[in-house]
Amino acid sequence: GQQLNQSPQSMFIQEGEDVSMNCTSSSIFNTWLWYKQDPGEGPVLLIALYKAGELTSNGRLTAQFGITRKDSFLNISASIPSDVGIYFCAGLTGANSKLTFGKGITLSVRP
Amino acid sequence: NAGVTQTPKFQVLKTGQSMTLQCAQDMNHEYMSWYRQDPGMGLRLIHYSVGAGITDQGEVPNGYNVSRSTTEDFPLRLLSAAPSQTSVYFCASSYSTGAVGYTFGSGTRLTVV
Repeated sequence: GQQLNQSPQSMFIQEGEDVSMNCTSSSIFNTWLWYKQDPGEGPVLLIALYKAGELTSNGRLTAQFGITRKDSFLNISASIPSDVGIYFCAGLTGANSKLTFGKGITLSVRP
Repeated sequence: NAGVTQTPKFQVLKTGQSMTLQCAQDMNHEYMSWYRQDPGMGLRLIHYSVGAGITDQGEVPNGYNVSRSTTEDFPLRLLSAAPSQTSVYFCASSYSTGAVGYTFGSGTRLTVV
């Protein structure tokens, strides 16, 4: 089946630093998504990407849809303590497909 | 507030007990799904439904049953709980299967002893 690969499992950064996360797959996806899960809550959609090469920003977050349609990255600039959480990438292969999730990256931000 | 409501938030079961995790949404979404989240495993799809009366299996369906008698509700039943079902369970909904905007509930943390 389709798999989305996220690594490392955990990242530790200092407040104010930028951080970048990758998501890769051996399969092509037509839509890439990035979710964030705060402790004790369900995931919340951060950014959706619909076209190969697309670069989209949401505040301090920037995400790109890889031109091969097999990868995506998320960048967080000037991190703050509330950026702590688990970041999931997810993908859709078509209009009637179900979301496939990566295993997530747990981000810790040291004050 | 509009959204996905899951109950209970926490539950402890003994091995062999049965129980139902409740999920309700008030957004008139057709698509509803159940995921389990385990450390290092991400979110794995258990069962899903594309509308009232229609359900199907996801990636890890064994040991779980679902039904969808109304658009709003999508309960998940554990028939005979096992320690391997200790997990955090999330219900999600969206207006269609391939829709981008999944709304997740806040989860049910289940421990089976």
